Amino acid sequence: QVQLVESGGGVVQPGRSLRLSCAASGFIFSNFAMHWVRQAPGKGLEWVAVISYDEDHKYYADSVKGRFTVSRDNSKNTLYLQMNSLGAEDTAMYYCARNWGYLRDGYMTGYWGQGTRVTVSS
Amino acid sequence: QSVLTQPPSASGTPGQRVTMSCSGSSSNIGSNYVYWYQQLPGTAPKLLIYKNNQRPSGVPDRFSGSKSGTSASLAISGLRSEDEADYYCAAWHDSLSGQVFGGGTKLTVL
Repeated sequence: QVQLVESGGGVVQPGRSLRLSCAASGFIFSNFAMHWVRQAPGKGLEWVAVISYDEDHKYYADSVKGRFTVSRDNSKNTLYLQMNSLGAEDTAMYYCARNWGYLRDGYMTGYWGQGTRVTVSS
Repeated sequence: QSVLTQPPSASGTPGQRVTMSCSGSSSNIGSNYVYWYQQLPGTAPKLLIYKNNQRPSGVPDRFSGSKSGTSASLAISGLRSEDEADYYCAAWHDSLSGQVFGGGTKLTVL
């Protein structure tokens, strides 16, 4: 079955950087686009970024564009999110999610991990 | 302010049928599929409905989705206490080139 395990969260000072990882198993990782979605405490879901199966296409939410970079290593079945210039507004639970279907089905989240918490505070 | 609009709350009694709405625009719901997610308290979201009205394996047929124009709805029949959760609609937004969510509807089973 699809398993997604996020790691790398923690407490970080404003202006600093953090890299999140998501280890995938239970499916052919290199066949699927992957997403990051976040949820601030007590708030709703906010989509962050998506990367195509071959890294050729990357899309970002306006709120993180220019600060966050999504990448993947298909040889390690791992998804990454490099977060720079962090601010209090980036405090959230960060979920990685596998795309529901293949490329022909478009980009939409399907299976979700359990999340890793990021707190930006001095 | 979410791109998709959902009522913040809904409620029903066990056995009842409840529906919740999701309103968007021609750039998202009007031109793309709608997906629905269920988030039980303290857990990660789970896909409930994909491509407007399709259920993933394991999702009971008590859950159904529909779409008309720039709006969509989720219906839950035979309401159970374990259905108490937050429900989010989502769609791809063409001009933003991103997935957009509704603000979520908190379902209370009375």
